[in-house]
Amino acid sequence: GESVGLHLPTLSVQEGDNSIINCAYSNSASDYFIWYKQESGKGPQFIIDIRSNMDKRQGQRVTVLLNKTVKHLSLQIAATQPGDSAVYFCAEKGTGRRALTFGSGTRLQVQP
Amino acid sequence: EAGVTQFPSHSVIEKGQTVTLRCDPISGHDNLYWYRRVMGKEIKFLLHFVKESKQDESGMPNNRFLAERTGGTYSTLKVQPAELEDSGVYFCASSRTGSYGYTFGSGTRLTVV
Repeated sequence: GESVGLHLPTLSVQEGDNSIINCAYSNSASDYFIWYKQESGKGPQFIIDIRSNMDKRQGQRVTVLLNKTVKHLSLQIAATQPGDSAVYFCAEKGTGRRALTFGSGTRLQVQP
Repeated sequence: EAGVTQFPSHSVIEKGQTVTLRCDPISGHDNLYWYRRVMGKEIKFLLHFVKESKQDESGMPNNRFLAERTGGTYSTLKVQPAELEDSGVYFCASSRTGSYGYTFGSGTRLTVV
């Protein structure tokens, strides 16, 4: 599979704990944000998204929080499971464009 | 529905050679995107097709890269001649008109030696 970056920030959590992955973005004109999960050898997989007119959105076991004041996005995973181990990317879309700008990624390691 | 398909999954070529990557989007998805991840860094946008037209190619690194989307269906990305710094994973994604929800393919890992 794809070799992930050797210097990715890593978050290590115990199975069953909650995980919080953070992302800072720079474009104040971004109007849409997405979190992706990438497992080795696979492409990025959509987890959850949020529009800039919202500050919180919940899915199944996941919550995304958006703080536009400080340009900060976070992904909260409840009751983290070994299958959640992967690299997580935030991505933003600027107004008027469809291209996404990705963050550098965070590796989540879940310890059994 | 079938997902986004990319092939080959891996390609190893020598510097100076030509490589062509192919992407088959989900049927009915007018939007097709190419991205790449080089040296394990962040995933970067290359270009965006709407049907057969290039909507945004601002991310294409140089004229050694040529993307086409024949008839608005599958797309190819040709690198000619390949350089060492082109090594990385090339992802294709597609989406419906009006949707920002991409579906990514599994990527092609390109190694230039």
